[in-house]
Amino acid sequence: QQPVQSPQAVILREGEDAVINCSSSKALYSVHWYRQKHGEAPVFLMILLKGGEQKGHEKISASFNEKKQQSSLYLTASQLSYSGTYFCGTERGGSRLTFGEGTQLTVNP
Amino acid sequence: SAVISQKPSRDICQRGTSLTIQCQVDSQVTMMFWYRQQPGQSLTLIATANQGSEATYESGFVIDKFPISRPNLTFSTLTVSNMSPEDSSIYLCSAQDSRLGENGYTFGSGTRLTVV
Repeated sequence: QQPVQSPQAVILREGEDAVINCSSSKALYSVHWYRQKHGEAPVFLMILLKGGEQKGHEKISASFNEKKQQSSLYLTASQLSYSGTYFCGTERGGSRLTFGEGTQLTVNP
Repeated sequence: SAVISQKPSRDICQRGTSLTIQCQVDSQVTMMFWYRQQPGQSLTLIATANQGSEATYESGFVIDKFPISRPNLTFSTLTVSNMSPEDSSIYLCSAQDSRLGENGYTFGSGTRLTVV
């Protein structure tokens, strides 16, 4: 079943923060996060494997709440290069990923 | 991270014809995945390709329409057969990449297919 992402779109000014949420009605065992810029392939950001796990990647970090079956991606002090569509992905059997609908992030000067 | 070379990058095809998309990975990978993505939408998994066995297709996708080959651990092809305008989309291959840390996935650059 496809995870649900919110919001669908967000517009920021450079330096502002944003949170993107990913939730599932089924138990989550791992959550992937990817960013896709227009006309390009998705690029891996991070995986969260354990409930309560938090990870950071430069000014982009994420948390995974296993009980709530959700993950959140945090973008702090956003930069123009952060613009793109963010997808969360949840693993099914056989290492197959099901992606959410995506969150379009636009960072303006 | 691993590099996946995908080709062609784009093509315009006549309805009723077939197109084969190729993906070459710069390292050996156990599984490769094929996705379809409509512009502005999410990625939908078509099938999983394992070397030495038949591909596993997701609901709504069949082998006759999307035959897949996986002759070795670094290469796979997806054929879109008997194409119709509804097949116009972006097709991407992907593989799990241990060099990304905890096995993130890397993607080919995509094939933008237009069927006329």
